[in-house]
Amino acid sequence: EIVMTQSPATLSVSPGERVTLSCRASQSVFSNLAWYQQKPGQAPRLLISVASTRATDIPARFSGSGSGTEFTLTISSLQSEDFAVYFCQQYNDWPRTFGQGTKVEIK
Amino acid sequence: EVQLVESGGDLVQPGGSLRLSCVASGFTFSNFEMNWVRQAPGKGLEWVSYMSGSGYTIYYADSVKGRFTISRDNAKNSLYLQMSSLRAEDTAVYYCARDRAARPFDSWGQGTLVTVSS
Repeated sequence: EIVMTQSPATLSVSPGERVTLSCRASQSVFSNLAWYQQKPGQAPRLLISVASTRATDIPARFSGSGSGTEFTLTISSLQSEDFAVYFCQQYNDWPRTFGQGTKVEIK
Repeated sequence: EVQLVESGGDLVQPGGSLRLSCVASGFTFSNFEMNWVRQAPGKGLEWVSYMSGSGYTIYYADSVKGRFTISRDNAKNSLYLQMSSLRAEDTAVYYCARDRAARPFDSWGQGTLVTVSS
C-alpha cells in the first residue's frame, strides 16, 4: 500500500497570504496525484488532478506541482472561502490512498 | 448536473448488517466506475471499495474485505454497499464517488452516516 504523508497538519494563515501544502508518497505515483478540498459538513471537492491540472471551475489561485513522490499545492492568495481541510490522494495503484489532511485555519 | 445521493445510513449494533445505496443522475452511469469512500468522525478519508462500470472488476480495502460487498444496477443508476459483521471502527460517513479510467474522484455524494454502537 502506498502511504501518503501530508505536512503540516495545520496551517494558521491570514487572508491574502500565500500558502504551500506538501504531500509525499512512499513510492512513486508518477503524476497520478489529486488534491481535494473539504469544508465542514461537506463532501470533498476535487481541486487538482494529474498533479497540476485544475478541475472544472477551480480558481487560478490554486496550483499544483510535483511528480514521483513529492507534491505541492499552492494557494497564491488565500481567500476566506479557502479555509478548509486539504487532502492529497494517489490514484496510481490500488488501494487508492489519501493523506491525513492539512487544515488551513484563520490566524 | 451530476448528482450522487446516498441513503441507508443508520445506527446499528456491532455484528449487524446494513445496506447503503447511491443513486446517480446527470450522466451515463454505466460508463463510469464507482467507489465507496468513508470518513470516521473527525478523521481523514479512507477508500473502501471500487466497481467498474460493467461490474466485472471489484476491489476492496483490506479493512472491509470479506465483510462488505459492492454491487450496482445500471438499469436503476444505482450503486450499493452491503455491510455485514459491522464493528465500531466502521462508524463513519460513507460517500459514493465517481471516477473514470484511472482518474481521481471527480464527483461525490453528500454522504450517509453509519453508526455502529450498542
